[in-house]
Amino acid sequence: EAGVVQSPRYKIIEKKQPVAFWCNPISGHNTLYWYLQNLGQGPELLIRYENEEAVDDSQLPKDRFSAERLKGVDSTLKIQPAELGDSAVYLCASSLDQSGLAFFGQGTRLTVV
Amino acid sequence: GESVGLHLPTLSVQEGDNSIINCAYSNSASDYFIWYKQESGKGPQFIIDIRSNMDKRQGQRVTVLLNKTVKHLSLQIAATQPGDSAVYFCAENVGAGSYQLTFGKGTKLSVIP
Repeated sequence: EAGVVQSPRYKIIEKKQPVAFWCNPISGHNTLYWYLQNLGQGPELLIRYENEEAVDDSQLPKDRFSAERLKGVDSTLKIQPAELGDSAVYLCASSLDQSGLAFFGQGTRLTVV
Repeated sequence: GESVGLHLPTLSVQEGDNSIINCAYSNSASDYFIWYKQESGKGPQFIIDIRSNMDKRQGQRVTVLLNKTVKHLSLQIAATQPGDSAVYFCAENVGAGSYQLTFGKGTKLSVIP
């Protein structure tokens, strides 16, 4: 069974440019998460979806970050415009139910120059 | 022995020895705990979990101990192998409808061949 798939693996952009990340969760997993991981830190939740509904986006910086999960499967996370401080790894995870056991993708490493 | 590095606590062990990685969690209402292993350039990988109604749970070469009195969690790895070298994170789920994992700072395990 395929795990959580994310693309791209790496992205380098100039500041003020837009960037988007894509995530395909494990088949059948209704809950999808986007996490941010800074170097040397644990992942921090940005947004959680139950099917297509964003049920927890309190940690998402809404002035520049947006996310969508239109059909309740794949999801995209967008940053516009990117800032130098956005350089980090963006992790997508999914879980079968609301138990909290999340399975993670490989992440997208973003570098803003 | 265990030491605090610049960014992550580091534990260095000899191959074949047992490893113990500790974690202090913050919320006494947390009812579900997960240990993740994260290798360089990869997303966190599930190792073992435990619910708050248990004190101990064993997997293959790994054991998780939970002490709710002092809010402490530990991961024991038996016969540590070079492939165990990674950063280990504990994560807690507050439950009560939260469904959000909060990650600890992580411990870097280095196995000396």
